[in-house]
Amino acid sequence: DAGVTQSPTHLIKTRGQQVTLRCSPKSGHDTVSWYQQALGQGPQFIFQYYEEEERQRGNFPDRFSGHQFPNYSSELNVNALLLGDSALYLCASSYEYSYEQYFGPGTRLTVT
Amino acid sequence: AQTVTQSQPEMSVQEAETVTLSCTYDTSESDYYLFWYKQPPSRQMILVIRQEAYKQQNATENRFSVNFQKAAKSFSLKISDSQLGDAAMYFCAYRILPSDTASKLTFGTGTRLQVML
Repeated sequence: DAGVTQSPTHLIKTRGQQVTLRCSPKSGHDTVSWYQQALGQGPQFIFQYYEEEERQRGNFPDRFSGHQFPNYSSELNVNALLLGDSALYLCASSYEYSYEQYFGPGTRLTVT
Repeated sequence: AQTVTQSQPEMSVQEAETVTLSCTYDTSESDYYLFWYKQPPSRQMILVIRQEAYKQQNATENRFSVNFQKAAKSFSLKISDSQLGDAAMYFCAYRILPSDTASKLTFGTGTRLQVML
């Protein structure tokens, strides 16, 4: 049983560019959450998707947007990249009302 | 807003010894979950142990146990018989009970645990 997978593993972008990160949830999970983890910090909640809708959002600007597909996989899009967007982006999946979120290995984004 | 505080940026322990990592949190909710996650250098966040706030009994998972003090809003993790593989970042996390609109995890800033030979 494959766990949560994310692609790509690493990514380098230039300021002002746009980026798309991808996440495939654990088999049978229907809810996907995205977190941003800056170096030396704990993960910060970006948003959560359930049934292809954004259900909850953290304190992130509109430059951060997402999507969930009918197969429950998800994308995180970031527009107009800033140096401060450099971070590890974690995806976590779960059943709708379960307590546990299973995390993927993350995508390391570097903005130069 | 809920906050989670980990006041120990780094801790070290001798192999086979016991270490306790501290966590405090702030919330106005009465029902919630608390978690300890481990993040090794591979970056994948792994759930170590969870505690439901309505349960008075402290959770235990093999060598890992918690000391949950609800009134003091304290949630510490004790690792017994420490092993080299326990070396990692440990994050304390909080969430309210899952609902239609609120099930995010709120994390602390982490404690880096070193295990010495």
